Amino acid sequence: DAMVIQNPRYQVTQFGKPVTLSCSQTLNHNVMYWYQQKSSQAPKLLFHYYDKDFNNEADTPDNFQSRRPNTSFCFLDIRSPGLGDAAMYLCATSREAGETQYFGPGTRLLVL
Amino acid sequence: SQQGEEDPQALSIQEGENATMNCSYKTSINNLQWYRQNSGRGLVHLILIRSNEREKHSGRLRVTLDTSKKSSSLLITASRAADTASYFCATEEDFGNEKLTFGTGTRLTIIP
Repeated sequence: DAMVIQNPRYQVTQFGKPVTLSCSQTLNHNVMYWYQQKSSQAPKLLFHYYDKDFNNEADTPDNFQSRRPNTSFCFLDIRSPGLGDAAMYLCATSREAGETQYFGPGTRLLVL
Repeated sequence: SQQGEEDPQALSIQEGENATMNCSYKTSINNLQWYRQNSGRGLVHLILIRSNEREKHSGRLRVTLDTSKKSSSLLITASRAADTASYFCATEEDFGNEKLTFGTGTRLTIIP
């Protein structure tokens, strides 16, 4: 049974065209995370929500925004994608901060 | 930066042999976690070891933690072709910043 679902699995967008990536969870976890992972690199945390409290990483570009309308869903909005934003975007959840994280399969973003 | 360094960056062994990967980090932690990532997929949690623990086992996995040296190792015994993946350590720092910081990863290839 899927616990963390990401849609779409692959996304192609044009340079500068806004794109939204979706994540949903069936675990009822408090914390949801968005990571960016480029080829052969470690996942890099962009931001996370503890319930409705939003926590942005200091080096996350303003181009990246997030919304969590309810416990189950979290969205990543890239307002004006650049070529350097092409990457795998991973969503994860945890029951509490610092505990085991459960990852979705990721969305691979291609920017043309 | 707290980001962990993993050693080696890449490892190739014959099926049936044991694989050992090492992780070093920089600051005090609450726990250290190991994750596996198959190519192009999300991360899968393997094991969590708390700062007051020294060793932990799960099936063919053995994790050690030495907080005095700020290092951890992951041993996979009797490796199988299905163990081919990238392995990441991740640390939760001890001042409650609600996030994990991932290491650079080790790419493990099991040769049938």
